[in-house]
Amino acid sequence: KQEVTQIPAALSVPEGENLVLNCSFTDSAIYNLQWFRQDPGKGLTSLLLIQSSQREQTSGRLNASLDKSSGRSTLYIAASQPGDSATYLCAVPATSGTYKYIFGTGTRLKVLA
Amino acid sequence: NAGVTQTPKFRVLKTGQSMTLLCAQDMNHEYMYWYRQDPGMGLRLIHYSVGEGTTAKGEVPDGYNVSRLKKQNFLLGLESAAPSQTSVYFCASSKGQGRADTQYFGPGTRLTVL
Repeated sequence: KQEVTQIPAALSVPEGENLVLNCSFTDSAIYNLQWFRQDPGKGLTSLLLIQSSQREQTSGRLNASLDKSSGRSTLYIAASQPGDSATYLCAVPATSGTYKYIFGTGTRLKVLA
Repeated sequence: NAGVTQTPKFRVLKTGQSMTLLCAQDMNHEYMYWYRQDPGMGLRLIHYSVGEGTTAKGEVPDGYNVSRLKKQNFLLGLESAAPSQTSVYFCASSKGQGRADTQYFGPGTRLTVL
């Protein structure tokens, strides 16, 4: 059964710092991995999607990497800003070829001005 | 483009009451999903649909029913609400593009069952 873990559960950093969020999954037979952002009281917004054939994806100051063999993905945020404060969640398919996604419980990020 | 909308935004029910949550999307997406989000549990899939007229069970389907009579709408019903169903409910939709499929989420419905 696919399980997704995100450590740490919460993180506080000063503005301008580069940071890395981690996502681990138990079943490496995935066809993609997604990173989402959730602001308090809001829905999820898709940030990046990495297909299984890719090693990384970039969008602005965000870079996500995927290492299927080790069951890990990282989300790198460069030059963090207070506006980056939110909860970041990763999600992978429950089993290869299905559209059921398993979500991690997220990392709550606070960027201090 | 409104994206994914959910009605209502908030609701308080008494145990045993019934209600229906409405999800609508204007992106012509094939796939639609209902999740619940609870503290420390993350998002869990309740039911999903891969096209008009189809529904399937997710991870936590008990106590819920769904219908997808129109492509743009996905309804989640609670026939007899229980306090354990107090949660935030999110609807999502996607094109159904396989490996490149991205989910788009609604703003959520906060439900309290007393």
